[in-house]
Amino acid sequence: QKEVEQNSGPLSVPEGAIASLNCTYSDRGSQSFFWYRQYSGKSPELIMSIYSNGDKEDGRFTAQLNKASQYVSLLIRDSQPSDSATYLCAAYSNSGYALNFGKGTSLLVTP
Amino acid sequence: SQTIHQWPATLVQPVGSPLSLECTVEGTSNPNLYWYRQAAGRGLQLLFYSVGIGQISSEVPQNLSASRPQDRQFILSSKKLLLSDSGFYLCAWSMLSGNTEAFFGQGTRLTVV
Repeated sequence: QKEVEQNSGPLSVPEGAIASLNCTYSDRGSQSFFWYRQYSGKSPELIMSIYSNGDKEDGRFTAQLNKASQYVSLLIRDSQPSDSATYLCAAYSNSGYALNFGKGTSLLVTP
Repeated sequence: SQTIHQWPATLVQPVGSPLSLECTVEGTSNPNLYWYRQAAGRGLQLLFYSVGIGQISSEVPQNLSASRPQDRQFILSSKKLLLSDSGFYLCAWSMLSGNTEAFFGQGTRLTVV
């Protein structure tokens, strides 16, 4: 199974700060990448998708992709306590049909 | 709009008993369908995915099986549950074209005792 790697954390940031979450993937054929947020006991919800090298911004969230380095990141600006959750990075395999997830990074935003 | 239904929400089953979890999608045709398992404190493990009726790809060998009897129905089964089968089971769907966002059901928390 193709690997998607994340630091498990926990990552702790103060309210209002920028949280930076990182992810690497092993399948060079992967074409699309996603960030999901999962609250404890709940199912994952999609935050961002990114398909091209560079940055993609959506509100307080910015996803960054570097295919040469096989690296994906998520920046959360003006972090809020409600952002405290586990963030999952996902990438499709080269086939485009098997969506593989990292183990997630736990984020804690402290008031 | 598209919705995904998964049931039951929680399930407690004895070791050796059978299992059947069902997932249905509404509001779309020919979706790709997925079953994942998340063990306590662990990441999402892809178990099966399907790109069409009767087409099942298995990612991890185990005592589970999956079937897709109808276009928008995906079933996860086991003939005899093991303690290690406990976990949070999630069904998801994505567009047939592949490489697109996947959306999850509410999940089934299975405890094997």
